[in-house]
Amino acid sequence: NAGVTQTPKFRILKIGQSMTLQCTQDMNHNYMYWYRQDPGMGLKLIYYSVGAGITDKGEVPNGYNVSRSTTEDFPLRLELAAPSQTSVYFCASSFTPPGHLYNEQFFGPGTRLTVL
Amino acid sequence: AQSVTQLGSHVSVSEGALVLLRCNYSSSVPPYLFWYVQYPNQGLQLLLKYTTGATLVKGINGFEAEFKKSETSFHLTKPSAHMSDAAEYFCAVSPNRDDKIIFGKGTRLHILP
Repeated sequence: NAGVTQTPKFRILKIGQSMTLQCTQDMNHNYMYWYRQDPGMGLKLIYYSVGAGITDKGEVPNGYNVSRSTTEDFPLRLELAAPSQTSVYFCASSFTPPGHLYNEQFFGPGTRLTVL
Repeated sequence: AQSVTQLGSHVSVSEGALVLLRCNYSSSVPPYLFWYVQYPNQGLQLLLKYTTGATLVKGINGFEAEFKKSETSFHLTKPSAHMSDAAEYFCAVSPNRDDKIIFGKGTRLHILP
């Protein structure tokens, strides 16, 4: 049971390039999330999904896209990378909704992205 | 609107001393409250949470937190700090089912030998 895995661990992009951050969970969780973490700013929700085929915007979705074709995978796409997207990106999953009594989010190890 | 405020972006304590990390929330209804811990170069993991019932919540690694409705606080404590407690700690709030979790900005805990 690997939990939540993310690839790559590190990446440097040039302005205008595109890339996909991969996220996979093997816990059969319906709920999946993408956060970005900037120093001193905590975690900001980018996108989330409540199940295969269903995604919704979080607090900071601009410049990103997601898809959820399977329960296990939730890739995050950056189409035109900008320096403002330099951050650490975390994928998470949970069995229940965020506000549920028994909710616990399981996080991946993160992807450190630098846009130059 | 829901929000959570963590007082102090950095806290330093000596090994063996009391750890106190402060968290205040704003909510129109009693929320669910969480503390997550992030060790260097790792993702976040749940330390403890308050949902209903007992207001003093015990978590992993000897940490506990007390929900005080009158003070809208959920401070995290540990009686005796250990070097392995050095990490960043995030308080988070979730008001109702199906809502998203809002994270605080985090407090980095430094343990002095």
